[in-house]
Amino acid sequence: EAGVTQSPTHLIKTRGQQATLRCSPISGHTSVYWYQQALGLGLQFLLWYDEGEERNRGNFPPRFSGRQFPNYSSELNVNALELEDSALYLCASSLVPGTGGAETQYFGPGTRLLVL
Amino acid sequence: QKEVEQDPGPLSVPEGAIVSLNCTYSNSAFQYFMWYRQYSRKGPELLMYTYSSGNKEDGRFTAQVDKSSKYISLFIRDSQPSDSATYLCAMSATGGFKTIFGAGTRLFVKA
Repeated sequence: EAGVTQSPTHLIKTRGQQATLRCSPISGHTSVYWYQQALGLGLQFLLWYDEGEERNRGNFPPRFSGRQFPNYSSELNVNALELEDSALYLCASSLVPGTGGAETQYFGPGTRLLVL
Repeated sequence: QKEVEQDPGPLSVPEGAIVSLNCTYSNSAFQYFMWYRQYSRKGPELLMYTYSSGNKEDGRFTAQVDKSSKYISLFIRDSQPSDSATYLCAMSATGGFKTIFGAGTRLFVKA
């Protein structure tokens, strides 16, 4: 069974540009989560999508946005990039909480974003 | 106060040692408790998952949850150099609340 996949693996942008990161969940998983992991910091929750809808959002500015497609894959967009946006961006997928399945999240390898 | 506190380490131990990793939390609604292992430049991988209180053992790994003290632990027996990684605790409540992660503890196991 294929795991969570993310693309690209690395992304280099300059301040003010936009970045688009992509994620494909494990087959059968409908929830997709995005996290930011800055150097030396823990995972910071960004966004949660399920069935195409944004279900929850972390404490990040509106320039962090995303969407989920009908095939449950997801895209994270970061507008007006700032130097402090440099981080590893992780996508995770899980069964929807509350359906009887355990709320465990399976992570992709991440996209390392560098803002110069 | 952070919802989840985890000592960032680093923790350095000799091969074969017993390792104890811990997290404390403040939200009594948390019921699902997880431990993830993250190798350098990789995504976290699920190691252990427990629901509510109690112990769970899987090979060399044992997870403990003490909800009365709001304290969880991961024990690694007979530690190996391949266990060198960052270990993240994570927890969540039911009903779709987001998972809260600890900052991670870096572990080095010396051969």
